[in-house]
Amino acid sequence: AQSVTQLGSHVSVSEGALVLLRCNYSSSVPPYLFWYVQYPNQGLQLLLKYTTGATLVKGINGFEAEFKKSETSFHLTKPSAHMSDAAEYFCAVRGGGADGLTFGKGTHLIIQP
Amino acid sequence: GAVVSQHPSWVICKSGTSVKIECRSLDFQATTMFWYRQFPKQSLMLMATSNEGSKATYEQGVEKDKFLINHASLTLSTLTVTSAHPEDSSFYICSAGDRYEAFFGQGTRLTVV
Repeated sequence: AQSVTQLGSHVSVSEGALVLLRCNYSSSVPPYLFWYVQYPNQGLQLLLKYTTGATLVKGINGFEAEFKKSETSFHLTKPSAHMSDAAEYFCAVRGGGADGLTFGKGTHLIIQP
Repeated sequence: GAVVSQHPSWVICKSGTSVKIECRSLDFQATTMFWYRQFPKQSLMLMATSNEGSKATYEQGVEKDKFLINHASLTLSTLTVTSAHPEDSSFYICSAGDRYEAFFGQGTRLTVV
């Protein structure tokens, strides 16, 4: 079984500042990890994913995340926040098979002007 | 990336009636699709796995007689909420893909009055 913990239901940063959204996972098998963004009343858009290989993965809109097995973490970062980054962010895990995703509770990112 | 289309994007129905939501994979064939439910300001919860040509697999606590899933072709899965009640009001999202990636529909906002 898998689980995901996202620390901080709300994160507020100033425009231009570093964005750090935390995600820790639990999985009994090598995990596939994902970050999604959701705007109000819309579906989910994939930001980036880790399946195998390089542990630092780059995604769209300047986001990146690093898979750290020893820490069971997959934190999402962006060097410089933009107002358009304000949204809900979900970390998700899949246990290597073709099962549905297990999502964290989400982090609402607020960008202060 | 692949496109998953969900219809309708929003629906209002009277209590006791049934509502059908369609999920289509537009440019790929999906033997498996997933249905999620999202309550306001909460995360996505996997409801069921829809398998083409066979019965859906429901997560624990999901009433299979209330949430009927049909996956009659490789590009279409439907979720029918039967005898809807106000507590069924929610945001329903489908996804399709493979083990490495999941593509999401735009979601359906169901309001039962």
